[in-house]
Amino acid sequence: DADVTQTPRNRITKTGKRIMLECSQTKGHDRMYWYRQDPGLGLRLIYYSFDVKDINKGEISDGYSVSRQAQAKFSLSLESAIPNQTALYFCATRESGEDTQYFGPGTRLTVL
Amino acid sequence: KNEVEQSPQNLTAQEGEFITINCSYSVGISALHWLQQHPGGGIVSLFMLSSGKKKHGRLIATINIQEKHSSLHITASHPRDSAVYICAVKRGGGADGLTFGKGTHLIIQP
Repeated sequence: DADVTQTPRNRITKTGKRIMLECSQTKGHDRMYWYRQDPGLGLRLIYYSFDVKDINKGEISDGYSVSRQAQAKFSLSLESAIPNQTALYFCATRESGEDTQYFGPGTRLTVL
Repeated sequence: KNEVEQSPQNLTAQEGEFITINCSYSVGISALHWLQQHPGGGIVSLFMLSSGKKKHGRLIATINIQEKHSSLHITASHPRDSAVYICAVKRGGGADGLTFGKGTHLIIQP
């Protein structure tokens, strides 16, 4: 089984709908991240969390919210989806004191 | 100007060729990462560098901190090396998370 999983893997939704993307990890890492990837722009950081009680905004947090329900789970919500949030979303984890990040398989989100 | 610049953006080569992908950055960093993104979208970490050089199989990564430049080399390239290679930096101090280059799309033809 994969160490970092994301659900759903693909989602098509309509403008104005609320969407939640979920990330789970079995690596026991304390730090978790949400990134989005757009063609020609590379990955950009949306939110990150040091632990359950510590949530921080990244480079492009507007229009998004997150919840760290447990050390192993980090969810990304789009309260009212808009077409320019169409992108590939990645969750990643890292253990404090180490540098390597481990990425989930990605969620392809399309907002019509 | 992007804080992390990669070149070339696209590279097509023949099997067996020596490949070099370059990364320049304009911010202070504590570490630089090279990542590989497969055609299916998955991302794996290849190297983390804070100085010098690392080698893993046919892959070699180098970094020059003074010049703010890193290179990823692939020796004896093979079609299975076809992927997007992404340079990312961990800023010294400040926010956690990585700042990414736009990636280099590499195609190795048989």
